[in-house]
Amino acid sequence: GDSVTQMEGPVTLSEEAFLTINCTYTATGYPSLFWYVQYPGEGLQLLLKATKADDKGSNKGFEATYRKETTSFHLEKGSVQVSDSAVYFCALSGDQGGKLIFGQGTELSVKP
Amino acid sequence: GAGVSQSPSNKVTEKGKDVELRCDPISGHTALYWYRQSLGQGLEFLIYFQGNSAPDKSGLPSDRFSAERTGGSVSTLTIQRTQQEDSAVYLCASSLAATVLSGANVLTFGAGSRLTVL
Repeated sequence: GDSVTQMEGPVTLSEEAFLTINCTYTATGYPSLFWYVQYPGEGLQLLLKATKADDKGSNKGFEATYRKETTSFHLEKGSVQVSDSAVYFCALSGDQGGKLIFGQGTELSVKP
Repeated sequence: GAGVSQSPSNKVTEKGKDVELRCDPISGHTALYWYRQSLGQGLEFLIYFQGNSAPDKSGLPSDRFSAERTGGSVSTLTIQRTQQEDSAVYLCASSLAATVLSGANVLTFGAGSRLTVL
């Protein structure tokens, strides 16, 4: 079945460092891909999405490009801030009735 | 409502008791999902409703778990004879039916119900 694999955390960075969180997927058909973020003490919220190959999703300085050839959707940010500390989840929506399949989540901690 | 509302936010129960968790989706959202987030784990899909019917309940871990939705709105997740391994945060999400069908599904999540089974 469809699945999502994320790099394991926790990831600890200094403020203004470059961030990459790797995400790869396995799916039949042509899934849509998402990054959700869970800030401490808050609920999950959509960060960005891409619905077809070569699409780039972006929001709040974060970007991810839908790469069909490598089945990847890596999350990047050029300069992280302390306020970016959160758990990041990669997810796909395929041909399974609209449900999202999530990766395990990657905890990011940004130090001043 | 403006967002997805879940209650209770916290529930502590004794092993063997039944619990009910409630989800009130965004007004107009016809698709509703239940997920479970265990400590250190990702989000585990439980069940999905389109209207009042559940086309996919493949994630329910055992027959102790059930869910219903009435009036195309509020949903209740019931766990019977709770076990310690049921301790987790139970998340509800809703989405517009149209985005479900298009495959570009955007889910809006509630804050979750934290269940602790002693």
